[in-house]
Amino acid sequence: EAGVAQSPRYKIIEKRQSVAFWCNPISGHATLYWYQQILGQGPKLLIQFQNNGVVDDSQLPKDRFSAERLKGVDSTLKIQPAKLEDSAVYLCASSLRGSYNEQFFGPGTRLTVL
Amino acid sequence: AQTVTQSQPEMSVQEAETVTLSCTYDTSESDYYLFWYKQPPSRQMILVIRQEAYKQQNATENRFSVNFQKAAKSFSLKISDSQLGDAAMYFCAYWSRDDKIIFGKGTRLHILP
Repeated sequence: EAGVAQSPRYKIIEKRQSVAFWCNPISGHATLYWYQQILGQGPKLLIQFQNNGVVDDSQLPKDRFSAERLKGVDSTLKIQPAKLEDSAVYLCASSLRGSYNEQFFGPGTRLTVL
Repeated sequence: AQTVTQSQPEMSVQEAETVTLSCTYDTSESDYYLFWYKQPPSRQMILVIRQEAYKQQNATENRFSVNFQKAAKSFSLKISDSQLGDAAMYFCAYWSRDDKIIFGKGTRLHILP
């Protein structure tokens, strides 16, 4: 069974530029998560989708971050414009349905904002 | 709001020995799930063990077991017969009934050969 795929693995941009991350969850997983993991901290949930609907985006900085889940499968997370404090690893995860089930994580995208 | 606290930023254990990682949480809910996730240096996080709050019996998975103390809101992870491959960041996580999950800040575990 293929795992959660993410791209790119690394990205370096200048502040005020835009960036987009892509995630392909495990086939059949209804729930998809985007996390931000700043160095030395635990993952912080940015947004959670159930199929193509948003379950929780309370911690998503909506003035600069946006996310969508196309047709309830792939998802993209965008930052526009980026700030220095956005430097982090962005993790995508998926689960069958709901986060009481095991979440399967992708390898993450390491973003550096200069 | 629920919180998860891991008070040990780093720990070390000799290979083949036993180590216990601590986690405490704060909640007013009675029904929830608790998790330990492992994040090796390659960054891909994997589930180690899960505990349902309504179950009194502590969960075990091979060399990994938990000590779940519901009244004390404590959920520690015990790793027996530590192996070099156990070196990683370990995150305690809490799941609430409104389907939200909160991670602690993690404990970095070093295995000494």
